[in-house]
Amino acid sequence: EVQLVESGGGLVQPGGSLRLSCEASEFTFSNYEIHWVRQAPGKGLEWLSYINTRGTTVYYADSVKGRFTISRDNSKKSLYLQMNSLRAEDTAVYYCARDVRAFDIWGQGTLVTVSS
Amino acid sequence: EIVLTQSPATLSLSPGERATLSCRASQSVNTYLAWYQQKPGQAPRLLIYDASNRASGIPARFSGSGSGTDFTLTISTLEPEDFAVYYCQQSGNWPPWTFGQGTKVEIK
Repeated sequence: EVQLVESGGGLVQPGGSLRLSCEASEFTFSNYEIHWVRQAPGKGLEWLSYINTRGTTVYYADSVKGRFTISRDNSKKSLYLQMNSLRAEDTAVYYCARDVRAFDIWGQGTLVTVSS
Repeated sequence: EIVLTQSPATLSLSPGERATLSCRASQSVNTYLAWYQQKPGQAPRLLIYDASNRASGIPARFSGSGSGTDFTLTISTLEPEDFAVYYCQQSGNWPPWTFGQGTKVEIK
């Protein structure tokens, strides 16, 4: 089955760091652009970050620019999101999503809770 | 940044009825508009891409239309499993990619 599986979420204190991972299976990961999208509790979807197939072009939402870093390792079929200087408002479920004319495949999400 | 405004916020309908959801963009996105369905505790699922193309495995009762700034998602006959939140999303002018705030289709 074509899928993305996120991991790495958890409880972290304000100002702390966390690294999320997203592993692909049953498709050629290196051929696809990938995004991170998050959803705060009871809220809508917020696009966070994009990376192209080779990892040479990245974009960020203003809300995370300078704090989050997207990267990928095509040899490991994996995408990453390094999150630093975390704030309470970063509390959300974080999804990775494949881009094929739209976000066609989504992971199940991983919950990040920022709280003291 | 392109802002997407969805209406109504909530749609109360009965199974078997027709649902019409609207998404308006603050500037033209051509036909680079997608629709997603999300049920509680689940990831979003792609329904429609490029404004009017059904994604793989999506039933024919879902259809999309529009171009430029005005888009519509229509569910011709609501099935019990269609009660969910629906989001539109644009990829016509990026970054950023943006989502609408969602329309909840609830059982009347």
